[in-house]
Amino acid sequence: GAGVSQSPRYKVAKRGQDVALRCDPISGHVSLFWYQQALGQGPEFLTYFQNEAQLDKSGLPSDRFFAERPEGSVSTLKIQRTQQEDSAVYLCASSTGRHSYEQYFGPGTRLTVT
Amino acid sequence: GENVEQHPSTLSVQEGDSAVIKCTYSDSASNYFPWYKQELGKRPQLIIDIRSNVGEKKDQRIAVTLNKTAKHFSLHITETQPEDSAVYFCAASMIFGGTSYGKLTFGQGTILTVHP
Repeated sequence: GAGVSQSPRYKVAKRGQDVALRCDPISGHVSLFWYQQALGQGPEFLTYFQNEAQLDKSGLPSDRFFAERPEGSVSTLKIQRTQQEDSAVYLCASSTGRHSYEQYFGPGTRLTVT
Repeated sequence: GENVEQHPSTLSVQEGDSAVIKCTYSDSASNYFPWYKQELGKRPQLIIDIRSNVGEKKDQRIAVTLNKTAKHFSLHITETQPEDSAVYFCAASMIFGGTSYGKLTFGQGTILTVHP
């Protein structure tokens, strides 16, 4: 079956531009996570959705970051007024939400802010 | 919050040797510890995980051990092969009840190189 997909795979933005990153989780997966992975580092948690409810956004670095999952499937991570420090790979992961702990990761979106 | 430390940052071994990567965590409430393998430019993929009610788990050439008292866990790869070369991440999470909500806190990663 299809895994987690993300688009675009690569995004170059000029500083100050807004960007939107999309995540298509595995069909039927209740839980969806966003992580940020800086070069040479481990992923860091940004936010978590259970269906359409955003239950934890404690990892979002600033109010420029916003995530949504309005119908409980596809999710979008939006970054407003991008800064150079936003350059990273943004990973999405989903899990069944029921008696399974494994998170399945997407390929990520590499964001470069120039 | 949880903090995970991972060592070593790089590890170079000869094909056929064993490799050991160690992690420590800070939050005694953490109860789920997965290990992910990430090849260059690819997505992280789960290779093995362990829950806090188990001290050791093995899957072919890969094993993980957990010491809850000392709050550390380790990945052991035996009979390494060149295709094992990748970045390995440990992680810790706190799982509630029967749900899978548990944000992962990752270590910094270990670059494993297996020389033929």
